[in-house]
Amino acid sequence: EADIYQTPRYLVIGTGKKITLECSQTMGHDKMYWYQQDPGMELHLIHYSYGVNSTEKGDLSSESTVSRIRTEHFPLTLESARPSHTSQYLCASSGQGSGANVLTFGAGSRLTVL
Amino acid sequence: QKEVEQNSGPLSVPEGAIASLNCTYSDRGSQSFFWYRQYSGKSPELIMSIYSNGDKEDGRFTAQLNKASQYVSLLIRDSQPSDSATYLCAVGGSGYALNFGKGTSLLVTP
Repeated sequence: EADIYQTPRYLVIGTGKKITLECSQTMGHDKMYWYQQDPGMELHLIHYSYGVNSTEKGDLSSESTVSRIRTEHFPLTLESARPSHTSQYLCASSGQGSGANVLTFGAGSRLTVL
Repeated sequence: QKEVEQNSGPLSVPEGAIASLNCTYSDRGSQSFFWYRQYSGKSPELIMSIYSNGDKEDGRFTAQLNKASQYVSLLIRDSQPSDSATYLCAVGGSGYALNFGKGTSLLVTP
């Protein structure tokens, strides 16, 4: 059972609003990731973190920001939401050793910006 | 740009048949390879991982890797309607994050 939690699962919000998508994991994983997925399209890496106080941008340019103040928590923030941000946001984590790049995904947050 | 290519399908197979899903990747430095299953409206879940050339079997699933040809495949034996989903090929390189293909939609018909 995947112990990685995302909230909210669904969010409909107006343009210009600030939003934070929450992601928490209880597996003690040091690595966490945010992917963006549009229908029928591949997952695109937008942010990742290999540990506390370490964050990097992924391959897909994103106007979002992330923080990693605690190992278990990796929130994603959009300061001013736009319709182009409408998408599915998937949080994932991975551990160490042989599981270092075995990603476990949360249930996802589906964002709609009107 | 490191690319992972999959035929989007849909691939339709009758119940009980073997489903064969294919994936190619562009980065010769790739070291780890995964197959994830994603049901409609759900998040991806790991089915198989493979790191060395050859075959790896787990129940009804067999992953095959050929690094020289930059090719990964997934065979599903005795396909069941519950196997109907999108199958994502994912490739890992020097970092820990994975590059994903667009996925192949599989439909198993009763």
